[in-house]
Amino acid sequence: SAVISQKPSRDICQRGTSLTIQCQVDSQVTMMFWYRQQPGQSLTLIATANQGSEATYESGFVIDKFPISRPNLTFSTLTVSNMSPEDSSIYLCSVEAIRGGGEAFFGQGTRLTVV
Amino acid sequence: DAKTTQPTSMDCAEGRAANLPCNHSTISGNEYVYWYRQIHSQGPQYIIHGLKNNETNEMASLIITEDRKSSTLILPHATLRDTAVYYCIVRVALAGGGADGLTFGKGTHLIIQP
Repeated sequence: SAVISQKPSRDICQRGTSLTIQCQVDSQVTMMFWYRQQPGQSLTLIATANQGSEATYESGFVIDKFPISRPNLTFSTLTVSNMSPEDSSIYLCSVEAIRGGGEAFFGQGTRLTVV
Repeated sequence: DAKTTQPTSMDCAEGRAANLPCNHSTISGNEYVYWYRQIHSQGPQYIIHGLKNNETNEMASLIITEDRKSSTLILPHATLRDTAVYYCIVRVALAGGGADGLTFGKGTHLIIQP
């Protein structure tokens, strides 16, 4: 298994501002993903964070709104840019291990409220 | 990834076995069945996965039908802490991790009654 630390755990932000969420994992992983969970909904994949190259975004998500960095195998950031109340959600980081069986491990999430 | 169908909610008495069904009739030969759960206000937690044989670990058992079109997750002795949303997900398992992330459906809200 992997231990994932996400920061911040929660935040309340003003509309029009940006928030950067950090994800740190305690072991080397191949795949890192970012998900969004809107209130009362299931998880939706935002993007795959690729080491040393641009993230791969899912339909409906764009780099200008959700820029992602992954400078090494154990760290990634997601920025929620120019926030509006519709961005109020839980944002979760997920990883899969290099020699794992395909099982994913999740951080505790960042609960974002935009006012 | 193949689509899955799960009941919206289920109740189970504490101490009894909780049996959660999942239908995945369009599953491909190289797709595994994964189960995760999400306890309120926490990130999803991996439970178990399998290809075609039944699997058991310290958390649960996974029974996959011979035609692989459905499966059942069994929590043998449910406790109040097992109250959560349970997600059944079908995906290809690649060496070194999946390439495409996970597609979550709505899952089954399992409520364990005291």
